[in-house]
Amino acid sequence: GQQVMQIPQYQHVQEGEDFTTYCNSSTTLSNIQWYKQRPGGHPVFLIQLVKSGEVKKQKRLTFQFGEAKKNSSLHITATQTTDVGTYFCNTGFQKLVFGTGTRLLVSP
Amino acid sequence: EAQVTQNPRYLITVTGKKLTVTCSQNMNHEYMSWYRQDPGLGLRQIYYSMNVEVTDKGDVPEGYKVSRKEKRNFPLILESPSPNQTSLYFCASSFDRRETQYFGPGTRLLVL
Repeated sequence: GQQVMQIPQYQHVQEGEDFTTYCNSSTTLSNIQWYKQRPGGHPVFLIQLVKSGEVKKQKRLTFQFGEAKKNSSLHITATQTTDVGTYFCNTGFQKLVFGTGTRLLVSP
Repeated sequence: EAQVTQNPRYLITVTGKKLTVTCSQNMNHEYMSWYRQDPGLGLRQIYYSMNVEVTDKGDVPEGYKVSRKEKRNFPLILESPSPNQTSLYFCASSFDRRETQYFGPGTRLLVL
């Protein structure tokens, strides 16, 4: 079945540093969604990308969909302690597939 | 308040004792699904339902059953739980498969 690889698995940054997580697929994706899960919480929707090369921003977060629609990235500028959590990408047609997630730890 | 509810939130049981985890949404969503979350493996879809009486297998359906008799409810049934089903389970719903998924708070299950 469809597989989505997400890297890195874990990243520890100092507050103020930037952070990027990548989602890669061997097949063309129809769309991609990003979710954030705080420690002890449930995944919460952040954004959806549909078009090739699409870039969307939410304050310090920048989301990008690759030109070939096989990869996506989430970039956080100047991380804050509130950014701590695990970030997941998600895609699929009827059966939905989540990436394995990137766990972000931010030290003050 | 629009929400997805799951019950119970925590459950400790023994091998072979049938259990049901309920999931209910009040947003009139058509698409509902169950996931299990395990360390290092992320979220894996167990079953999904496109609408009432329409269910299909996700990536890890073995050992689980579901039913969708009403639009709002999508219970997860473990007929004979085993220790490898110890996990954190999430129910989610959305208007359709490509829309925003709303997750329930999760059910932490321990099978001894």
